[in-house]
Amino acid sequence: DAGVIQSPRHEVTEMGQEVTLRCKPISGHDYLFWYRQTMMRGLELLIYFNNNVPIDDSGMPEDRFSAKMPNASFSTLKIQPSEPRDSAVYFCASSLSPRAYEQYFGPGTRLTVT
Amino acid sequence: QKEVEQNSGPLSVPEGAIASLNCTYSDRVSQSFFWYRQYSGKSPELIMSIYSNGDKEDGRFTAQLNKASQYVSLLIRDSQPSDSATYLCAGPFSGGYNKLIFGAGTRLAVHP
Repeated sequence: DAGVIQSPRHEVTEMGQEVTLRCKPISGHDYLFWYRQTMMRGLELLIYFNNNVPIDDSGMPEDRFSAKMPNASFSTLKIQPSEPRDSAVYFCASSLSPRAYEQYFGPGTRLTVT
Repeated sequence: QKEVEQNSGPLSVPEGAIASLNCTYSDRVSQSFFWYRQYSGKSPELIMSIYSNGDKEDGRFTAQLNKASQYVSLLIRDSQPSDSATYLCAGPFSGGYNKLIFGAGTRLAVHP
């Protein structure tokens, strides 16, 4: 199995630009999670989906962030407009019921907003 | 109190020793736990899960869960330099969602 796939691996953008991060979960997994990791705040859950439906988005920092999962094999996290404080590593993870907590992480996208 | 607390370290142990990593949690976390290992510049990887009170052993790793004390630990026997990484403890949010609350992680350094 290819594991969780994320793209791009690195993204450098200027403040105010739109950023789209992409994720392909492990085939057959019904949970998909988006996390953000920084030195200051550690690993934070932004949003998660179950069977393509957003279940909890309470971790999304503000309206500039949005996430979609149009089908079982693809999800996007969009930031518009981006700000320097959004600089972080963004991870996508997937898991399979009933062991939703045993999550497989993708390699991450390192985002730098200048 | 943070929901899941870990000492950030670094915890330095000599090769071959036992490394002991600890985690405490609040009532906002349900009582099963997961240990993830994260090498520098890499993504977290699940190495142990423990769903009930007591000990669970897997190779050189032993997870211990003490629900009365709200305490969970990970012991690594015969530590190797390749065990040098950050270890993240995580527990499920008790508010009814299938989401994990992660601790800040403990950095472990195993020196030859």
